[in-house]
Amino acid sequence: AQKVTQAQTEISVVEKEDVTLDCVYETRDTTYYLFWYKQPPSGELVFLIRRNSFDEQNEISGRYSWNFQKSTSSFNFTITASQVVDSAVYFCALNRDDKIIFGKGTRLHILP
Amino acid sequence: DSGVTQTPKHLITATGQRVTLRCSPRSGDLSVYWYQQSLDQGLQFLIHYYNGEERAKGNILERFSAQQFPDLHSELNLSSLELGDSALYFCASSEGAGQGFEQYFGPGTRLTVT
Repeated sequence: AQKVTQAQTEISVVEKEDVTLDCVYETRDTTYYLFWYKQPPSGELVFLIRRNSFDEQNEISGRYSWNFQKSTSSFNFTITASQVVDSAVYFCALNRDDKIIFGKGTRLHILP
Repeated sequence: DSGVTQTPKHLITATGQRVTLRCSPRSGDLSVYWYQQSLDQGLQFLIHYYNGEERAKGNILERFSAQQFPDLHSELNLSSLELGDSALYFCASSEGAGQGFEQYFGPGTRLTVT
């Protein structure tokens, strides 16, 4: 079965702290894509990153970084020096057969 | 702004009624996806159309149907509405069909069934 687990339902950190959001996935496919989306309080879903199953290189984009490890079926997301604007719900997702399977999301509160 | 538009933004209706949600994909995108977001179920994939044809189906109820028109806009029809259908309905679009295409989401339609 295809499944995405985000075990952290809610996280609160103080501004400027680093925070890591965990994502564990299950799939029997050898080719798949993983995504992270951000849903700010305004409600829209914003695409952050896509990673295919053959590319295990870590990715850094500004204060955001992603660690993909096939051995542990994890695709974790780290925000460095968090800011209040990072407060949102973050979703990890797995794309299989033209469907995206989303995790339940992690609600991140960045406290000033 | 993702370039995907959805109308209406909000919809309030009564149980048993039927509503139509509309989505216009980004210019050039051939795929349209529909999702339902509710507190208890999270984000659920409903259906995917590519260039007018149904491509994949998810947890879509029989009371729900969708189509994609020649101009590539899509409509999601919800009928015999129940209280539990209250949710945020998202449309997303992508350039093609397949696992590797990122999906760009519209602002959503918030449906309230009373």
